[in-house]
Amino acid sequence: GAVVSQHPSWVICKSGTSVKIECRSLDFQATTMFWYRQFPKQSLMLMATSNEGSKATYEQGVEKDKFLINHASLTLSTLTVTSAHPEDSSFYICSSDRGETQYFGPGTRLLVL
Amino acid sequence: AQSVTQLDSQVPVFEEAPVELRCNYSSSVSVYLFWYVQYPNQGLQLLLKYLSGSTLVKGINGFEAEFNKSQTSFHLRKPSVHISDTAEYFCAVSEGGSEKLVFGKGTKLTVNP
Repeated sequence: GAVVSQHPSWVICKSGTSVKIECRSLDFQATTMFWYRQFPKQSLMLMATSNEGSKATYEQGVEKDKFLINHASLTLSTLTVTSAHPEDSSFYICSSDRGETQYFGPGTRLLVL
Repeated sequence: AQSVTQLDSQVPVFEEAPVELRCNYSSSVSVYLFWYVQYPNQGLQLLLKYLSGSTLVKGINGFEAEFNKSQTSFHLRKPSVHISDTAEYFCAVSEGGSEKLVFGKGTKLTVNP
């Protein structure tokens, strides 16, 4: 398998602030990473595809100005939730693409008060 | 467009009983198939995958799945479950050549003593 880490695992913030979530591929270089959002008791929803050295590709309905993605190196992608609101509270999970398989991070739970 | 259907949202079983979690997909091209497990408040862990070759795939924790092209199914099985298998199980598919995964809605497996 492969190891993917996320930081932080938990974050609580006030409405209107920005939050950055890091996703690291620890044992391989990932040109492509993915960001998902999961609501309670639901499946994963793909938000965007992050490509090293280029702009992210966002899924339909995902606001690119609100969810900023940066993939500056082959082992790190970041998701910044800008001007967070309570409705942004969710579980955010990243994955790294290795060959034909995605390996997932442990997730970050965001709570916006 | 591809889609994934997990027919059972919840499956309760007793410990040491066999279990089958059903997954059907729709796609007009060749696919890669995956089963992931998610424990509470954690990310997804890869259980097994089918990329090509033998249609019977063995994974971790004693799970196996069989790819049936004619029935467009990829059911997950375990002959004898443990309490520790209690988790959410997601079936996912990617079309050959695409990096994107499409997930089913998940099946919550509850193993009772």
